[in-house]
Amino acid sequence: GAVVSQHPSWVICKSGTSVKIECRSLDFQATTMFWYRQFPKQSLMLMATSNEGSKATYEQGVEKDKFLINHASLTLSTLTVTSAHPEDSSFYICSAQPGPPLYEQYFGPGTRLTVT
Amino acid sequence: QKEVEQNSGPLSVPEGAIASLNCTYSDRGSQSFFWYRQYSGKSPELIMSIYSNGDKEDGRFTAQLNKASQYVSLLIRDSQPSDSATYLCAVEGGGGNKLTFGTGTQLKVEL
Repeated sequence: GAVVSQHPSWVICKSGTSVKIECRSLDFQATTMFWYRQFPKQSLMLMATSNEGSKATYEQGVEKDKFLINHASLTLSTLTVTSAHPEDSSFYICSAQPGPPLYEQYFGPGTRLTVT
Repeated sequence: QKEVEQNSGPLSVPEGAIASLNCTYSDRGSQSFFWYRQYSGKSPELIMSIYSNGDKEDGRFTAQLNKASQYVSLLIRDSQPSDSATYLCAVEGGGGNKLTFGTGTQLKVEL
């Protein structure tokens, strides 16, 4: 149980284009989903928290107009990287949380984004 | 600012030995604690959660929590080469649902 999928697993795009990443909880409903970014040999960095039907809450320093998050249902959240630049190249990982009283997060397999 | 501290390692143990991973946290209001395993190039995988003081065992893994000392640890018995990974300690803050992650401890299990 507690399976989270992410699509695509890797993507290469040209500078200036947009990329959409999907995150789905397959066997549970997620009241909250999270988006993280991880650079090589660095720790996870939380980008934003999203609740179904609500606007996402972004961490300090994360541009909300660049990283668009939509949490359309209790099993689906999307992250769109708009006008991507090479510095946006990273490993993007989503996680899903079943909700109180359980706060554990289950991670998707991640999406490796390369912007050329 | 909530902090979670871990020794970055690498921690090297021989195959079959017990690996002991430690974590301290700053927020006394934290109620939920988790250990994740992350292989290189992969996403984190939840291996243990603990909510009450004391020990919690699951197979070869034992999580230990001491809220008074703000300390949580993970013991891996009979360590195997496949246990070689980075282990992330994560702490849920009191009243919130976000997790604060430590920077992780790299474990190497040697043949």
